[in-house]
Amino acid sequence: GDSVTQMEGPVTLSEEAFLTINCTYTATGYPSLFWYVQYPGEGLQLLLKATKADDKGSNKGFEATYRKETTSFHLEKGSVQVSDSAVYFCALERGKLIFGQGTELSVKP
Amino acid sequence: DAGVIQSPRHEVTEMGQEVTLRCKPISGHDYLFWYRQTMMRGLELLIYFNNNVPIDDSGMPEDRFSAKMPNASFSTLKIQPSEPRDSAVYFCASSQRRWGSSSGNTIYFGEGSWLTVV
Repeated sequence: GDSVTQMEGPVTLSEEAFLTINCTYTATGYPSLFWYVQYPGEGLQLLLKATKADDKGSNKGFEATYRKETTSFHLEKGSVQVSDSAVYFCALERGKLIFGQGTELSVKP
Repeated sequence: DAGVIQSPRHEVTEMGQEVTLRCKPISGHDYLFWYRQTMMRGLELLIYFNNNVPIDDSGMPEDRFSAKMPNASFSTLKIQPSEPRDSAVYFCASSQRRWGSSSGNTIYFGEGSWLTVV
């Protein structure tokens, strides 16, 4: 069945470091792909999305490119801030939203 | 827009008691989802509705769980009787237009109901 796999966390970085959180998916066809972010004690917020192959989603300095060759949608940011500390979820749309297990990011000053 | 509104935000209840979680979706949204989040199992879709009709309830863990959507602006998730293993964060979410068409419809989440069953 359809599934999403994310790199395990927690990921700990220093402020201004480069961030990559890997996400790969298994699905038939070309589902839409999403990154959601969950800050402590809050619900999930859409961070970015891509609806077709080679699309790049971007928001708040984060980017992810829909790669059908590698079935991946890795999240990147060039310079993280302490305020980016949160849990990040990769997801695909297949009649319902299927989430990866989440990756916790901790950014230290 | 007020966003998806859930209540209660936090609830602590004793095993065996009935728990009712409430959700008001964003006005105009015709899809409503109930998710459960735990450390062990991550985010699980329990059930979703389209135009107030349950479409897929395959994620509902057992008969103790039930969900209703009597109108477009209100839904409940009920657990009766509750058990300690039901302790989790329950999220309600809503979206607009056709889901599953790979059109990239965004779903919007509420802030969650944090349930503890002791």
